[in-house]
Amino acid sequence: GIQVEQSPPDLILQEGANSTLRCNFSDSVNNLQWFHQNPWGQLINLFYIPSGTKQNGRLSATTVATERYSLLYISSSQTTDSGVYFCAVISGTYKYIFGTGTRLKVLA
Amino acid sequence: DAGVIQSPRHEVTEMGQEVTLRCKPISGHNSLFWYRQTMMRGLELLIYFNNNVPIDDSGMPEDRFSAKMPNASFSTLKIQPSEPRDSAVYFCASINQGTQYFGPGTRLLVL
Repeated sequence: GIQVEQSPPDLILQEGANSTLRCNFSDSVNNLQWFHQNPWGQLINLFYIPSGTKQNGRLSATTVATERYSLLYISSSQTTDSGVYFCAVISGTYKYIFGTGTRLKVLA
Repeated sequence: DAGVIQSPRHEVTEMGQEVTLRCKPISGHNSLFWYRQTMMRGLELLIYFNNNVPIDDSGMPEDRFSAKMPNASFSTLKIQPSEPRDSAVYFCASINQGTQYFGPGTRLLVL
């Protein structure tokens, strides 16, 4: 089955710093989503981005489907950005495959 | 829109007891997923419903687990009998146009 790898596994930032999270997938995909799991466990949908670039405030994402990767950019990080960031892909009709996540800690 | 609603938010029970988790998807979403999250195994898909019909239950661990979706606005996940290894966070998610929306989860602890 399709493999989803995220890097880095862990990241510590000082507040105000920028970061790039990466998601590589081993096969062509129909859909891709980025999620943020906050310290309280809530999974929040950030982007639905099977291809192209989207921006939402300090966050933006780019998926290059032909090269099988997606990037999540966080600019001017805040302590509230802490948590785990997952990418999830669909190859087929419905089954999302989740990466193992990037654990981000933003220090005040 | 209230989002996906799950209840209870926390459940502590003893081994052997029946546990029922509940989910109300976002109105108008016709697909629903149940996931389980643990530190060891990450997020695992348990079962997928489309238009209230179970399409894929291959992720359900064993016969102790069952799920139903009697109508478009309600689903249950039942564990009977529960075991300590079932302790996890159980999420329900509904989908609209390829975008998943997760509920807050039910944190289950089986003693």
